[in-house]
Amino acid sequence: GAVVSQHPSWVICKSGTSVKIECRSLDFQATTMFWYRQFPKQSLMLMATSNEGSKATYEQGVEKDKFLINHASLTLSTLTVTSAHPEDSSFYICSAIGLAGFIEQFFGPGTRLTVL
Amino acid sequence: DAKTTQPPSMDCAEGRAANLPCNHSTISGNEYVYWYRQIHSQGPQYIIHGLKNNETNEMASLIITEDRKSSTLILPHATLRDTAVYYCIVREASGGGADGLTFGKGTHLIIQP
Repeated sequence: GAVVSQHPSWVICKSGTSVKIECRSLDFQATTMFWYRQFPKQSLMLMATSNEGSKATYEQGVEKDKFLINHASLTLSTLTVTSAHPEDSSFYICSAIGLAGFIEQFFGPGTRLTVL
Repeated sequence: DAKTTQPPSMDCAEGRAANLPCNHSTISGNEYVYWYRQIHSQGPQYIIHGLKNNETNEMASLIITEDRKSSTLILPHATLRDTAVYYCIVREASGGGADGLTFGKGTHLIIQP
């Protein structure tokens, strides 16, 4: 099956710094990638939809200037959490769908962000 | 909001069949039923999906009622590695659907040794 990777798998940073998370589709080209956030003991919440070569579409309540998304190629999308604060600590998960309409989204393993 | 209702938790003995119910009484004609699961601290994993016919693959079977208002995911011989949160999701037609998924709270399935 299709494989999606994320890097790093976990990161600890100081409050006020920025953190970049990468999402890669390893064996297929992803026209669309999604970013989700999951707080402890809660379900996944969609943050934004990223299409290659165009601006990301953010869900209501997600600050686009705080969570910068870049989808520069068909295999890579990045999420940058700018000026991170402790309340941004969460599990960030990306998913991808490929060309010609996959029937399912393929999820990455997630990135655990802890902001001190 | 999620369009599905699932029990928050279930237990199942190892080696037995695990039957996970899902209510989706407001499902529309062009919406499919998808099942994903999430093992602790991992990304979700696709299991199966269907429209109105029962479906089976190497992981599970999906039984959809005739009125399509509910469905059951069946893991035929549960193992300890099947302990996870199982999400039932309805979404529009497969293939080309470029929308993110709306996850409900899911069912935490615990397989007991």
